[in-house]
Amino acid sequence: EVQLVESGGGLVQPGRSLRLSCAASGFTFDDYAMHWVRQAPGKGLEWVSGISWNSGSIGYADSVKGRFTISRDNAKNSLYLQMNSLRAEDTALYYCAKDTRIAVAVAQFDYWGQGTLVTVSS
Amino acid sequence: QSALTQPRSVSGSPGQSVTISCTGTSSDVGGYNYVSWYQQHPGKAPKLMIYDVSKRPSGVPDRFSGSKSGNTASLTISGLQAEDEADYYCCSYAGSRGVFGTGTKVTVL
Repeated sequence: EVQLVESGGGLVQPGRSLRLSCAASGFTFDDYAMHWVRQAPGKGLEWVSGISWNSGSIGYADSVKGRFTISRDNAKNSLYLQMNSLRAEDTALYYCAKDTRIAVAVAQFDYWGQGTLVTVSS
Repeated sequence: QSALTQPRSVSGSPGQSVTISCTGTSSDVGGYNYVSWYQQHPGKAPKLMIYDVSKRPSGVPDRFSGSKSGNTASLTISGLQAEDEADYYCCSYAGSRGVFGTGTKVTVL
């Protein structure tokens, strides 16, 4: 059974940093691209960032480019999101999601975690 | 990076069909056959309903179907059931990034 478990969310002041983690199990992690998707309270889904199987291809939404960094550790079956210079508008539930395609990231998500809540407020 | 355009809401009676549109550009929906659709019930994580424009994952009822014409993709729910009431989002690959639709609330009357 595929499982994605996010952690690392919490309350943080504007301008500070936070690192999210996603522990994956139930599939061959290093075969698949992975993504972060967020959802602000009461709002729609927003793709944040994606990373290919070998970290060779990485993409970011314009809203987070230059502030967020995605990475993965295939030996630990883990995905990460380093979030710097956080803003109030980054407040959201952050989901880790597995891509449908082997190797490449095509922004289609067949498995999702339950999300970790990030609240940016003073 | 504008969101794809979806109608805010659609509704139908049990047994009827409803169609949700998802309009983008030639840089996303029109440029790739990587359009997917997600169902989200309140308080739950999204669930993949359609991928690669028209393919259904195992376990998704065949009442759900997807298509694409030009820059617009569509999700059709045939034989609407009470449990189909939820929010639906489209998503398209856009060359090294993804872009979601604005979301559509489906109401079963």
